[in-house]
Amino acid sequence: DAGITQSPRHKVTETGTPVTLRCHQTENHRYMYWYRQDPGHGLRLIHYSYGVKDTDKGEVSDGYSVSRSKTEDFLLTLESATSSQTSVYFCAISDYRENTEAFFGQGTRLTVV
Amino acid sequence: AQSVAQPEDQVNVAEGNPLTVKCTYSVSGNPYLFWYVQYPNRGLQFLLKYITGDNLVKGSYGFEAEFNKSQTSFHLKKPSALVSDSALYFCAVRDLGSGNTGKLIFGQGTTLQVKP
Repeated sequence: DAGITQSPRHKVTETGTPVTLRCHQTENHRYMYWYRQDPGHGLRLIHYSYGVKDTDKGEVSDGYSVSRSKTEDFLLTLESATSSQTSVYFCAISDYRENTEAFFGQGTRLTVV
Repeated sequence: AQSVAQPEDQVNVAEGNPLTVKCTYSVSGNPYLFWYVQYPNRGLQFLLKYITGDNLVKGSYGFEAEFNKSQTSFHLKKPSALVSDSALYFCAVRDLGSGNTGKLIFGQGTTLQVKP
């Protein structure tokens, strides 16, 4: 299995509080991604990074921010959590080659009450 | 806009029978296509991919997929289903709209139920 660790694995938080999810990789891959998984929607891209301090928005970026200060770490922050952000969040990594697949972490189940 | 569709929310098959999970795509240019499987409370595991070459791609756990350019399809198949194949399956296409960033566009997923 690819070396990807997400933390925490489960979290319950209250509406309006900030939340940070962490993704750590040991593969030295260039690209890192945050997706959310919701029933009927598959996985949707929130933000991605193509290098240290280089990030860009995905399809569903509103209400989320990210940071990548080191190659191995990619943080996803919900500035003020809302119930619509209750979801399962997956981190993924891939290297620079076009024909390679992405590898996914185990996921973080976030519940906003 | 690029997109992926999995027309069936659920597929039911008896153990030992062949299975097919359908996927169609819409992209501009040549597609890079992927299948992933997700077991309960787990992350996504890579099964197989089509980049170029033979239209029949073989992957993990006895799965294969057939790329059909004229029908814009990439159906996942297995000759003989196992109960342990029961899981959620995702088809995905690489988003080439903004260069080589590796972003994926996913279908909504298909639950495969294999009954003994």
